[in-house]
Amino acid sequence: AQSVAQPEDQVNVAEGNPLTVKCTYSVSGNPYLFWYVQYPNRGLQFLLKYITGDNLVKGSYGFEAEFNKSQTSFHLKKPSALVSDSALYFCAVRDRASGGSYIPTFGRGTSLIVHP
Amino acid sequence: NAGVTQTPKFQVLKTGQSMTLQCAQDMNHEYMSWYRQDPGMGLRLIHYSVGAGITDQGEVPNGYNVSRSTTEDFPLRLLSAAPSQTSVYFCASSTIGEQYFGPGTRLTVT
Repeated sequence: AQSVAQPEDQVNVAEGNPLTVKCTYSVSGNPYLFWYVQYPNRGLQFLLKYITGDNLVKGSYGFEAEFNKSQTSFHLKKPSALVSDSALYFCAVRDRASGGSYIPTFGRGTSLIVHP
Repeated sequence: NAGVTQTPKFQVLKTGQSMTLQCAQDMNHEYMSWYRQDPGMGLRLIHYSVGAGITDQGEVPNGYNVSRSTTEDFPLRLLSAAPSQTSVYFCASSTIGEQYFGPGTRLTVT
């Protein structure tokens, strides 16, 4: 079974400050991990993914995420937040031992609010 | 390359009516899925398909049917609409990596 948790419903940060959106996961094998962003009244857009290799993954719009196997975490980070980063962020996990369904499980989402 | 398209964008149904939400992709992806998004609930998987002719149930399949006769199309059918099906519906397609999402259909059942 695969599951993912986003422990914060909302994250508030001031523009220019670093931001972190937390994600932890549970899989029986090794994970594929993803972050998506959703702007109001839009579909989800892919930000970045971890498949294998370097634990620090860089993605779109200056975002990055760090894979930590011992803590089963994949937190999303950005060194300097912009007001335009305000959106809903989803973490997703897929177990490589999923038996071929290739369908990930999504977290409940974290609303990021960046204050001017 | 249009990606994933969904129609209609908005729909209002009366309880008991049926309808089909359309989803199409032009990326030749094997995997397609339908999600519903409700406040505080995140994305919940309704049905998915791993290829033409193959579908399976997700987390919340009751009240919905799907079929996959071609690689491109994956329609979602509401058999007898209920107010509990008021939601925003997203279709997605993928290979083995990230998913590509459509713009969504906002459905209201009165």
